Amino acid sequence: AQSVTQPDIHITVSEGASLELRCNYSYGATPYLFWYVQSPGQGLQLLLKYFSGDTLVQGIKGFEAEFKRSQSSFNLRKPSVHWSDAAEYFCAVGGGAGGTSYGKLTFGQGTILTVHP
Amino acid sequence: EAQVTQNPRYLITVTGKKLTVTCSQNMNHEYMSWYRQDPGLGLRQIYYSMNVEVTDKGDVPEGYKVSRKEKRNFPLILESPSPNQTSLYFCASRLAGGLETQYFGPGTRLLVL
Repeated sequence: AQSVTQPDIHITVSEGASLELRCNYSYGATPYLFWYVQSPGQGLQLLLKYFSGDTLVQGIKGFEAEFKRSQSSFNLRKPSVHWSDAAEYFCAVGGGAGGTSYGKLTFGQGTILTVHP
Repeated sequence: EAQVTQNPRYLITVTGKKLTVTCSQNMNHEYMSWYRQDPGLGLRQIYYSMNVEVTDKGDVPEGYKVSRKEKRNFPLILESPSPNQTSLYFCASRLAGGLETQYFGPGTRLLVL
């Protein structure tokens, strides 16, 4: 069964500092990986996704993520955080073609990001 | 504007009183699903639908029903709500092609007393 772990429940950074949110996944084949952001009182917005190819993926709002198969990780990064980045971030893994989990998204527990001025 | 809408956005009810949360999308998506979000647990899939009249259980289907009579609508039904169904609910939709991007509704916050 596929699963996602986000080890950090809550992270606090200062505005302008760099950010890395961790995500570890478990999946038997090549995974499809996503990062979503949820601002307070809002729905989820897709930041970026990885299906195949280049392991460094660029997303919206200046975010990027790197797929590392050897570490089963898909960490989200941003070089300089803005106060508006304060939100909850979810990593998700999707089942690839041919598997019983095809099309199913499994989410991590979420990481709450607080940004100090 | 392409969107997924949910109604109501907020709902307070009492144990045992049947309720329905509506979900509608205007993107002609085949795939629709319902999630519940609880603190520390992330989003968990309740039910999903691959197309009209095709629905299946997700990870936490107990206490919920769904129907898909039209492509655009996917209502979530709680026949006899209980306090453990107090949660934030999200509807999502996407095209049928595997891992297309899912689009999420704004959420429905439900409190069952």
